[in-house]
Amino acid sequence: DTGVSQNPRHKITKRGQNVTFRCDPISEHNRLYWYRQTLGQGPEFLTYFQNEAQLEKSRLLSDRFSAERPKGSFSTLEIQRTEQGDSAMYLCASSRGRTDTQYFGPGTRLTVL
Amino acid sequence: SQQGEEDPQALSIQEGENATMNCSYKTSINNLQWYRQNSGRGLVHLILIRSNEREKHSGRLRVTLDTSKKSSSLLITASRAADTASYFCATDEPGGGSEKLVFGKGTKLTVNP
Repeated sequence: DTGVSQNPRHKITKRGQNVTFRCDPISEHNRLYWYRQTLGQGPEFLTYFQNEAQLEKSRLLSDRFSAERPKGSFSTLEIQRTEQGDSAMYLCASSRGRTDTQYFGPGTRLTVL
Repeated sequence: SQQGEEDPQALSIQEGENATMNCSYKTSINNLQWYRQNSGRGLVHLILIRSNEREKHSGRLRVTLDTSKKSSSLLITASRAADTASYFCATDEPGGGSEKLVFGKGTKLTVNP
């Protein structure tokens, strides 16, 4: 499978715990994006990378959120001190160029109890 | 903020009928993309249409773009039960400085067998 992969697919955690998600983009894509989707809504942009550089962050990305893309390959999204409001589907996407199609992974569904 | 808005919010049809979904947006774009999402899953890319294109086809899908009216439509012909999903339009952020996609809330399509 050469698509975007995300792990884990589901994560249940208790409030206050830290969680980390991983995204592996399509191999030749240098752009990687993170989005968050809550029930009944469309995805909302969080941040994106061009190679290893994080070029844009949304206001949604509070200081409890951090994303990295070491070596410009896979990316991780960490949420510290999780809150119930962080419960959502976290989606990763990658693309080859600036205005090219963004291909999405299956998402990681986070539930904070 | 949401750039695109899909209409209707929900649509229920019989198998074999055509389904039309509309998307309106507020400001100029470089391209518009349509995605499908099955319940609780990731987004599947359907079609990308650029601002200088008026119509594109892919199998049973037909997308139109009217930049003067800032609107797009997605037509699914000869619908099947497997087309049951939520459909989202997504536009790039106007102004050229961002690569994020801005999604609407989606149209939930139900195709009854």
